[in-house]
Amino acid sequence: DIQMTQSPSTLSASVGDRVTITCRASESISVWLAWYQQKPGKAPKLLIHETSSLESGVPSRFSGSGSGTLFTLTISSLQPDDFATYYCQEYNTYSLTFGGGTRVDIK
Amino acid sequence: QVQLVESGGGVVQPGRSLRLSCAASGFTFSRYGMHWVRQAPGKGLEWVAVTIYDGSKEYYADSVRGRFTISRDNSKNTMDLQMNSLRVEDTAVYYCAKGIGYNYGNPLDTWGQGILVTVSS
Repeated sequence: DIQMTQSPSTLSASVGDRVTITCRASESISVWLAWYQQKPGKAPKLLIHETSSLESGVPSRFSGSGSGTLFTLTISSLQPDDFATYYCQEYNTYSLTFGGGTRVDIK
Repeated sequence: QVQLVESGGGVVQPGRSLRLSCAASGFTFSRYGMHWVRQAPGKGLEWVAVTIYDGSKEYYADSVRGRFTISRDNSKNTMDLQMNSLRVEDTAVYYCAKGIGYNYGNPLDTWGQGILVTVSS
């Protein structure tokens, strides 16, 4: 099975900061990677699929890049609404493996 | 609007069974793969199972294979998860989620609100 490793697990940042979260796959998944945002007590929300395709309605400050085994989610200027936990997910196989999550909190 | 609503959760003893249901509305249910994803208290997301658009194939996580069964009824726009031989470690919020495509390997663009299953003696 593919393993997905996110780093860091926790990130403290301020409004306006540029934030980067990394996701590493244990084997190549081409570009079949998605990113989700989850707030406490809520269901996850799909932000990006196919590595870099932004979902409709997602602010352009979010972007994704990478291929193969290394991927990044970047928030260009962190906003108050962005404090949440972020998960990567591979969908190269039938089992959709999630990363362990990165919690972004207020510094 | 596109909506998924889970039902059937609750408290159950180890070794017993429980059946979750997901009611879909606002989209053509029969065109999409449908998934169950769970989240143990304070933990990350774990994919559980998928049924492809016509119900002809399903796949499971290793942790539930042989104990859980996913099914769908495209005439009723519903999906179920039959959970047998429940274990304490199955305690989680269970989410119903819609894939963006008809098959199994797709990101999940719509999620239900989640329903809590607690396995405890």
